[in-house]
Amino acid sequence: DGGITQSPKYLFRKEGQNVTLSCEQNLNHDAMYWYRQDPGQGLRLIYYSQIVNDFQKGDIAEGYSVSREKKESFPLTVTSAQKNPTAFYLCASSGQGARDSPLHFGNGTRLTVT
Amino acid sequence: AQKVTQAQTEISVVEKEDVTLDCVYETRDTTYYLFWYKQPPSGELVFLIRRNSFDEQNEISGRYSWNFQKSTSSFNFTITASQVVDSAVYFCALSEAETDSWGKLQFGAGTQVVVTP
Repeated sequence: DGGITQSPKYLFRKEGQNVTLSCEQNLNHDAMYWYRQDPGQGLRLIYYSQIVNDFQKGDIAEGYSVSREKKESFPLTVTSAQKNPTAFYLCASSGQGARDSPLHFGNGTRLTVT
Repeated sequence: AQKVTQAQTEISVVEKEDVTLDCVYETRDTTYYLFWYKQPPSGELVFLIRRNSFDEQNEISGRYSWNFQKSTSSFNFTITASQVVDSAVYFCALSEAETDSWGKLQFGAGTQVVVTP
């Protein structure tokens, strides 16, 4: 079945360490996105990529980095510069002509930094 | 400024009751999309509906119905005859034409729906 795979489901890190969250899709979608969710809040956009080797900052990009070397993959690195990294991270993708294709979301990665 | 407002933080109902979730949005664009997503306890977001700004026709899908009113900038969602499986957080979201990507959604804070037997 086509879909978006995020791994791992739970991730624990010590403060000061960088951590990379995986996102893989087999939907042949061009655009991919990373959203962050905090308790009691809606999702906020971190980064997005509309084609391979290109990506743009979203609303809360500070302390994060991404790469888009392959169409299927859009990993997110949470750096030590991110002040409040503990959150639920959701990856999403959409097809060409996204106005006709709603976002498909992965199951998320819950990151805890202590 | 908050572009999507879901004023109800949590709604608790007994099974078979109807529940209406409010969503008010703000945009200067004449072309935009509105969405509803469901987030069950497992965490993934499940797409429910997309409505474009030029289509104000209300929609019904099974026990779900949506009321889009541009005059009041609202896109409310009703679950009829609620069931325990409807327990989840529901998000309303907005995508505006002025952005370079339709996948850049502005989400409301979500409404937690609790349905008890």
